[in-house]
Amino acid sequence: EDQVTQSPEALRLQEGESSSLNCSYTVSGLRGLFWYRQDPGKGPEFLFTLYSAGEEKEKERLKATLTKKESFLHITAPKPEDSATYLCAVQAPSGGSYIPTFGRGTSLIVHP
Amino acid sequence: DTGVSQNPRHKITKRGQNVTFRCDPISEHNRLYWYRQTLGQGPEFLTYFQNEAQLEKSRLLSDRFSAERPKGSFSTLEIQRTEQGDSAMYLCASSSTFTSGVYNEQFFGPGTRLTVL
Repeated sequence: EDQVTQSPEALRLQEGESSSLNCSYTVSGLRGLFWYRQDPGKGPEFLFTLYSAGEEKEKERLKATLTKKESFLHITAPKPEDSATYLCAVQAPSGGSYIPTFGRGTSLIVHP
Repeated sequence: DTGVSQNPRHKITKRGQNVTFRCDPISEHNRLYWYRQTLGQGPEFLTYFQNEAQLEKSRLLSDRFSAERPKGSFSTLEIQRTEQGDSAMYLCASSSTFTSGVYNEQFFGPGTRLTVL
């Protein structure tokens, strides 16, 4: 079963229309939850790391939060340049190792 | 240091041929990861190294896939007898060793796009 589920799969916003992306996870023993941004044809670009429930991180128009079951990426007053796929990943025990597991991502399009 | 680099950026090959990809991590990072990504999916973990030691390789997709990091610096990923289903983006990432029981973020390269005809 999926350990990391992101929703929605796709999101279209008007410029300035704030929204949130969700990442829910079912792993135990979390050793880090990571948010990345990926532009088409490029490798993911690191945004945030969260380690414990209640933690929050901010960068420009983005704010990431973490609970025991999910993380949210809040986008305030987005601009067209925020259009990208946003990926969530967790690092947790899996068969004796700590393997990073990514969600499928949320494709965000911000219209001017 | 300009970040993680990967070569080649694109590779087109015929079914049955062998291919090798190279990854040069950020110099001070001792962990190196390989992923495969197909359209509409997140990166899928394949293997990782700490220095020259390959600590996890059970997720390599088949015995046709192998990876090396001989001197703890650059790494190579080889696919033997390629199949059309191997067509994907292959990503490399590096990170510094985790501290205090938590893991640090990974920095990704631009990827190698493989097309198997």
